[in-house]
Amino acid sequence: SSELTQDPAVSVALGQTVRITCQGDSLRSYYASWYQQKPGQAPVLVIYGKNNRPSGIPDRFSGSSSGNTASLTITGAQAEDEADYYCNSRDSSGNPHVFGTGTKVTVL
Amino acid sequence: QITLKESGPTLVKPTQTLTLTCTFSGFSLSTSGVGVGWIRQPPGKALEWLALIYWNDDKRYSPSLKSRLTITKDTSKNQVVLTMTNMDPVDTATYYCAHSTTFGGVIVQDYFDYWGQGTLVTVSS
Repeated sequence: SSELTQDPAVSVALGQTVRITCQGDSLRSYYASWYQQKPGQAPVLVIYGKNNRPSGIPDRFSGSSSGNTASLTITGAQAEDEADYYCNSRDSSGNPHVFGTGTKVTVL
Repeated sequence: QITLKESGPTLVKPTQTLTLTCTFSGFSLSTSGVGVGWIRQPPGKALEWLALIYWNDDKRYSPSLKSRLTITKDTSKNQVVLTMTNMDPVDTATYYCAHSTTFGGVIVQDYFDYWGQGTLVTVSS
């Protein structure tokens, strides 16, 4: 079982704001990175580090962290943001990666 | 332009060993801070990290699969190979390789910034 827990699904109205959370003990010490995955496609990195966006990722995507919870916020959600989102970080033993359980975002 | 592509069998039998190759271009695996990792995703399920090899040949494995995995690199061929022994139907998944970049000073982490398209491996007799 994953050490990073996410809500299975969230929905957001077009143009509104949605926050996706990721909980785990390792997040007290390490940053989360966030990946967007659309059906039939490979994941795409959207946020890494404290709050860094790779080139080409819209600025409506932002990241934050508090305690054992990391968050990905989409401000002004668009239809194309409908996807599965996964957090990723080191695990509590310091191994380099563990993925979260994933959150399906539906844009209404 | 960084690209990665996975190759290997699409069908393996239970108990067999799976060998997957990641062939990449646009970067060197001898560059400090660079790595290549493997991640899999069973149909309809979440991503699962498997293994990672760094530019300095440091190798890390998922604790739950460590006994079954081996990751190696051939820098001259721009390839990373993953072997997984004793395959089982539960190992049926799309297997991805991905470029990783290390960041941080005191606390070092990495992220996967480029991914291959993935290859579906089915385990069935």
